[in-house]
Amino acid sequence: DIQMTQSPSAMSASVGDRVTITCRASQGISNYLAWFQQKPGKVPKRLIYAASSLQSGVPSRFSGSGSGTEFTLTISSLQPEDFATYFCLQYYTYPYTFGQGTKLDIK
Amino acid sequence: QVQLVQSGAEVKKPGSSVKVSCKASGGTVNNYVFTWVRLAPGLGLEWMGKITPTLGETHYAQKFQGRLTISADRATSTAYMELRNLRSEDTAVYYCAGAGMDVWGEGTTVTVSS
Repeated sequence: DIQMTQSPSAMSASVGDRVTITCRASQGISNYLAWFQQKPGKVPKRLIYAASSLQSGVPSRFSGSGSGTEFTLTISSLQPEDFATYFCLQYYTYPYTFGQGTKLDIK
Repeated sequence: QVQLVQSGAEVKKPGSSVKVSCKASGGTVNNYVFTWVRLAPGLGLEWMGKITPTLGETHYAQKFQGRLTISADRATSTAYMELRNLRSEDTAVYYCAGAGMDVWGEGTTVTVSS
């Protein structure tokens, strides 16, 4: 199975900060990577697919980049509603695998 | 726009089985592909498996091999996730989602407790 390693596992930031989360695949996955946001008690929400394509309706402060084994999710200016847990997912090959998550909370 | 509606919460004893349903409606659902993901307390999202009903094809995470069956009824655009030999660690919210995971059901809480 492809292992997805996210870093950091948790971080604190302030409203207005620029935040970057990294996901590393144990083998090359081309651009078959998605990012999800999960808030407590809520359904996961897809933010990014194909590594850098923004899901319709998602604010443009979210962006994704990378290919192969290294990927990043960037939030350009944190808003109060962005404090959540973020997960990457590889869908290059079965079984699909999630990263362990990055919990982003308020500093 | 496709909507996914899941069956209600379940409480199960260890060693028993649970079967959760997920019905797709609205939009184009004839060839809908279903994915199952779970979120256990204090843990992250876990991909469980996927079914492509038109191909009769299923894929499972190795962790669940032998305990998990994902099936579908094309006539009703409904998918099912059956997990057997339940353990306390299977207590989680179980979600169905579309192939790209841009559409999600509301989740079904499964509690395993003696």
